[in-house]
Amino acid sequence: DAGVIQSPRHEVTEMGQEVTLRCKPISGHDYLFWYRQTMMRGLELLIYFNNNVPIDDSGMPEDRFSAKMPNASFSTLKIQPSEPRDSAVYFCASSLGFLAAYNEQFFGPGTRLTVL
Amino acid sequence: GENVEQHPSTLSVQEGDSAVIKCTYSDSASNYFPWYKQELGKGPQLIIDIRSNVGEKKDQRIAVTLNKTAKHFSLHITETQPEDSAVYFCAASAGGGADGLTFGKGTHLIIQP
Repeated sequence: DAGVIQSPRHEVTEMGQEVTLRCKPISGHDYLFWYRQTMMRGLELLIYFNNNVPIDDSGMPEDRFSAKMPNASFSTLKIQPSEPRDSAVYFCASSLGFLAAYNEQFFGPGTRLTVL
Repeated sequence: GENVEQHPSTLSVQEGDSAVIKCTYSDSASNYFPWYKQELGKGPQLIIDIRSNVGEKKDQRIAVTLNKTAKHFSLHITETQPEDSAVYFCAASAGGGADGLTFGKGTHLIIQP
């Protein structure tokens, strides 16, 4: 398997623009997580899905952020409108789920977002 | 919610020496404690984890200990090598890892030749 795939790897946009980050989890994984990493706040959970259903979105910072998982192999994180303080590295991770004996979360390479 | 504190923020050791990174957590319901290694420009990668029914786990040069009473867990790396240089994160979960992880702020480990 190719692992968790994220696109784009780098995104530079201007304040006020819409940004869409994409993630393809590892095939067969039931859980998908979105994290954000900044120097000030470290790694933070934004939202996670189980079987394509959002379970906990309490980490989503504002209504400007939204996430969807239309099927088991694709998820998006959208920021509209974007602001400079949204600049960060956004990671997607996936895991087999609670019943698995080994519940490692596998992280993608991340998308580095810069909002000017 | 859960709060994970990690120390030190930077650790420099001589090659061949041991390194110890410590974390504390606040939520007594937490039952899964993974450690991740992150290299520059890459996503975090799991190196070892421990569940709350175990006090210690070892994998070659890496070991993790857990003290549930004190809500404290530690990562031990022996015989450090240059390739161990990276940022290490501890994390905690109350859902066995099936829910989101709460991460510590990270430790930048530097192996001096």
